[in-house]
Amino acid sequence: ETGVTQTPRHLVMGMTNKKSLKCEQHLGHNAMYWYKQSAKKPLELMFVYNFKEQTENNSVPSRFSPECPNSSHLFLHLHTLQPEDSALYLCASSQGDRAVDEQFFGPGTRLTVL
Amino acid sequence: GQQVMQIPQYQHVQEGEDFTTYCNSSTTLSNIQWYKQRPGGHPVFLIQLVKSGEVKKQKRLTFQFGEAKKNSSLHITATQTTDVGTYFCAGFLFAGGTSYGKLTFGQGTILTVHP
Repeated sequence: ETGVTQTPRHLVMGMTNKKSLKCEQHLGHNAMYWYKQSAKKPLELMFVYNFKEQTENNSVPSRFSPECPNSSHLFLHLHTLQPEDSALYLCASSQGDRAVDEQFFGPGTRLTVL
Repeated sequence: GQQVMQIPQYQHVQEGEDFTTYCNSSTTLSNIQWYKQRPGGHPVFLIQLVKSGEVKKQKRLTFQFGEAKKNSSLHITATQTTDVGTYFCAGFLFAGGTSYGKLTFGQGTILTVHP
């Protein structure tokens, strides 16, 4: 147990659906991240929040919309997704966004877009 | 943009054999982290290297950071079936002249160990 939880663990949605992924960290960290992990691709950083402020948007399509209401919670709102968006979405947190801060990952949400 | 390349992509070994994965960056890194992801699991932090030429050991695992801070390696001695998984390196690079940077992951090496 890493102290980072994600719900749901599995999600199947159609291209016209709207859904949200939730991440919660119980480690008292200040930085939170969304990553996308596809087969045969490296972990792709999507968004970074530090002290609730977005510090990184890695050219992510607007059909992915993050929300960070406080340092413990992070959401990823999904709408009009494409089949190629099917992947494992990982949330992570760290003390801060400094070089020396190790990241703690949640179990991920396995997303399938039909 | 910054890239972190990792080789090999796959490695199959017999239990008891050694294993090494290599990580290379196109630019000098501030530091490098290594993570392990078990099949069906999520990445778990293993270690961080910061200093040029640094070598760290964790039981059968040896981590090295190159003198130029552009490459790193993970070596496992006498692999066991519990070592199976994907090993990722992740390099941290500061944007020039700022305190802001980000961690960039390599594509990972998938290790299978045959008993």
